[in-house]
Amino acid sequence: GAVVSQHPSRVICKSGTSVKIECRSLDFQATTMFWYRQFPKQSLMLMATSNEGSKATYEQGVEKDKFLINHASLTLSTLTVTSAHPEDSSFYICSASNPLRDEKLFFGSGTQLSVL
Amino acid sequence: SQQGEEDPQALSIQEGENATMNCSYKTSINNLQWYRQNSGRGLVHLILIRSNEREKHSGRLRVTLDTSKKSSSLLITASRAADTASYFCATGYGGGTSYGKLTFGQGTILTVHP
Repeated sequence: GAVVSQHPSRVICKSGTSVKIECRSLDFQATTMFWYRQFPKQSLMLMATSNEGSKATYEQGVEKDKFLINHASLTLSTLTVTSAHPEDSSFYICSASNPLRDEKLFFGSGTQLSVL
Repeated sequence: SQQGEEDPQALSIQEGENATMNCSYKTSINNLQWYRQNSGRGLVHLILIRSNEREKHSGRLRVTLDTSKKSSSLLITASRAADTASYFCATGYGGGTSYGKLTFGQGTILTVHP
């Protein structure tokens, strides 16, 4: 089966610091990865679509300078939350699609970010 | 935007009972998918049904799709305590730039009591 690894699973940081979250597709090449944000007991909100070798496409209302996305290879996308503030505290989840496996998504296990 | 509306928002049942969750959407779709999420974890894909299909089975799961009513249902038969999780429907729109860009519903929190 397709596996997506996300790291770290939990991070606690001070306000003003930057946090990088990695998302790797372990057994398939993911030309496209997606980054979501989820608040407690709520649905997933798509933040951006990460395309290998090109700029990410951000959803309306998501600050691209705040949430930097890099998709430098077919197996790795990173999300950097820059100058994090307490309101950035949330659960961030990445996913990847494998065109050989229909349109289903394979999700990482998520990263719980807590900004103090 | 989140176009999927799910009901109920929460469902509490006893082990062995069936659980039914419903999902409605607003625009035309290529496929509809159901995912499961355990607390604090990522989502796991359960089943995908295409717009030209009406019903699909996978183990204890049964999914129906009614494109005329823009709705879908997920039935979990003979539920187990381990089925306790949040369940989300998600709509997909096919190829091109929308490939893999799913829109998720609000989710149903299912609790199965032993």
